[in-house]
Amino acid sequence: GQNIDQPTEMTATEGAIVQINCTYQTSGFNGLFWYQQHAGEAPTFLSYNVLDGLEEKGRFSSFLSRSKGYSYLLLKELQMKDSASYLCAVRVSGGSYIPTFGRGTSLIVHP
Amino acid sequence: NAGVTQTPKFRVLKTGQSMTLLCAQDMNHEYMYWYRQDPGMGLRLIHYSVGEGTTAKGEVPDGYNVSRLKKQNFLLGLESAAPSQTSVYFCASSGLASGSIDTQYFGPGTRLTVL
Repeated sequence: GQNIDQPTEMTATEGAIVQINCTYQTSGFNGLFWYQQHAGEAPTFLSYNVLDGLEEKGRFSSFLSRSKGYSYLLLKELQMKDSASYLCAVRVSGGSYIPTFGRGTSLIVHP
Repeated sequence: NAGVTQTPKFRVLKTGQSMTLLCAQDMNHEYMYWYRQDPGMGLRLIHYSVGEGTTAKGEVPDGYNVSRLKKQNFLLGLESAAPSQTSVYFCASSGLASGSIDTQYFGPGTRLTVL
């Protein structure tokens, strides 16, 4: 099976930078996803990493280290609308290739 | 292009009643999934389908059945609802999974309460 760990909750100030970590233990790693989920809404895709390094998309960046089983999502210039849950999901090769989700990190951005 | 739609959006059942949740996607995706989301538990996979006419069990399949008679539709059935099945149910779809980014697209969710 897979073990995916994220902090339950984080708080940050508008305009600041926040880093949300995700650690995983799995065999046959085949990619890591980050999704954003606002309260009462569906998850939406943010980023995907399969090779080591940093992927940047505007204010959001995602980093992966396969040897350490570690990823983080970096949010810059925080806005109030970034208050949401952030879900880390890991996919393994072989079998169904279906990602397994962590429990999510609830980010609260305050003025 | 509606993406992934789910019906109904809300439902209240009594213990022992049955119901079917419908998921439809118009993106011609091969894979479809049913998840449940409970506070503090993240998204847990109930059942999934890798193509029309095929289904498979996920992490928490007990008490649920599914069918995929048409490629665009994935039905989730509760034969005898229990209070433990009170949850938010999300349907999702994606293209062929192996070797691709294969993002999952989620429906808006169904809030189910079992009394």
